[in-house]
Formats: sequence, C-alpha cells, structure tokens
Amino acid sequence: QVQLVQSGAEVKKPGASVKISCKASGYIFSANAIHWVRQAPGQRFEWMGWINVGNGNTKYSENLQGRVTITRDTSASTVYMEVSSLRPEDTAVYYCARAYMVRGSEVFDPWGQGTLVTVSS
Amino acid sequence: DIQMTQSPSSLSASVGDRVIITCRASQTISRHLNWYQQKPRKAPELLISAASSLQSGVPSRFSGGGSGTEFTLTISSLQPEDFATYYCQQSYSAPWTFGQGTRLEIK
Repeated sequence: QVQLVQSGAEVKKPGASVKISCKASGYIFSANAIHWVRQAPGQRFEWMGWINVGNGNTKYSENLQGRVTITRDTSASTVYMEVSSLRPEDTAVYYCARAYMVRGSEVFDPWGQGTLVTVSS
Repeated sequence: DIQMTQSPSSLSASVGDRVIITCRASQTISRHLNWYQQKPRKAPELLISAASSLQSGVPSRFSGGGSGTEFTLTISSLQPEDFATYYCQQSYSAPWTFGQGTRLEIK
C-alpha cells in the first residue's frame, strides 16, 4: 500500500536547523508531488511548500520567509524538508503528504505519521 | 491568502445523529474543497475531495456538498468511530489553507 514514513522526533535550540525525511513506498515515487504541512499546538494546519519529485521544482510559502528547503533523493524514494533559523514558534508536528488530482482538485493522501519538532532553549 | 472558516468549532452528538459541518471560504474556490478526518495522535485522512467525491473506502454515511464559498460535510448517522476532528482545505490557489477544525465529541 502507499505509505509515507517520516523520521523521528527532534529537539532543537533556537537558531538551529532541522531536517526531516519522508520515505515513500507503494507507488512510483516520481509520479506525485510531495507537500509539507505543519500543525503547531492549538493552531490550524499550515501549508509549508511542495516539491515536484519528477523534476525537483519547488514552491514555498511566503510566510516562512525563505527558511524552508525541500529536496528529494530519487534513488532512496525520500523527500527531505529543512527549516533553518528555528524559533520557539516553529514547535509543531510536521507532516509530509503525497498529492494527486481528483476531478481537478489537488488532494493530500496519504500523509506521513508526523514528526514532532520542539524548539526550546 | 484564502481564509477558511468552519462552524461549529466543536459539536457534541450521539451515535445515530445526523451531523452537518460547514466550511466557508473568503473568496470563491469553485469546488476545490477537500475534507479530512483526524483522530488523536494520528495523521489526517482524506474523506472527500472536490467538494463531493467520496474517497475509496470511506463509508457512504459521509457526504459533501457545496460550491463557490460555502460547503458542507454531512454524516448521516454517527458511528462511534466517527468521533474525531474534521478539517476542510482549499486547493484552489496557493498557499493551500485549512479550516480551524471541528471537534466532534460524544454527548
């Protein structure tokens, strides 16, 4: 079955960087984009960016002010998401999700299990 | 950015009840609206896409409707496994945005 498995929880200090992996299986890796979404405690989901796995093109949320980088390793069927200059407000559960189109509407399905990133001094 | 607003934010209901959750967009999004279910400590799961297309494997008691700026998620007869948090999400234009969620609790 289609599955996305993310790397484990991280604890970082303010100003540091974190890199999370998302390993895909069960489908042709290059056939679908991968999006990243986060959910801070008590907040709604926030879309962070996406990567066209086939050609490596990316698009990021302007709200993250250039602190996010998404890359992929096609040989490992893995997408990576790095957030730099971490702040306490970046504490959140981070999810990757496969994207595809249904009747012209892009959906996220499935999602990875989530990775908790805690930013604290 | 397109703002998504769900109502109610929380809802208490009983097994067998019919429940309707509403999602409103700050501008027209045609039918580019998806619904997800999230249970505690789990990732969200896709229920409905393009406003009304039921995802494979999702029970037929779930249905979606609407277009433009107003959408609904209806659960026709609540089952114990339906108590969860539901989110709408627009895929009309980037950045993709989500509603704040509707927490469905057992009465």
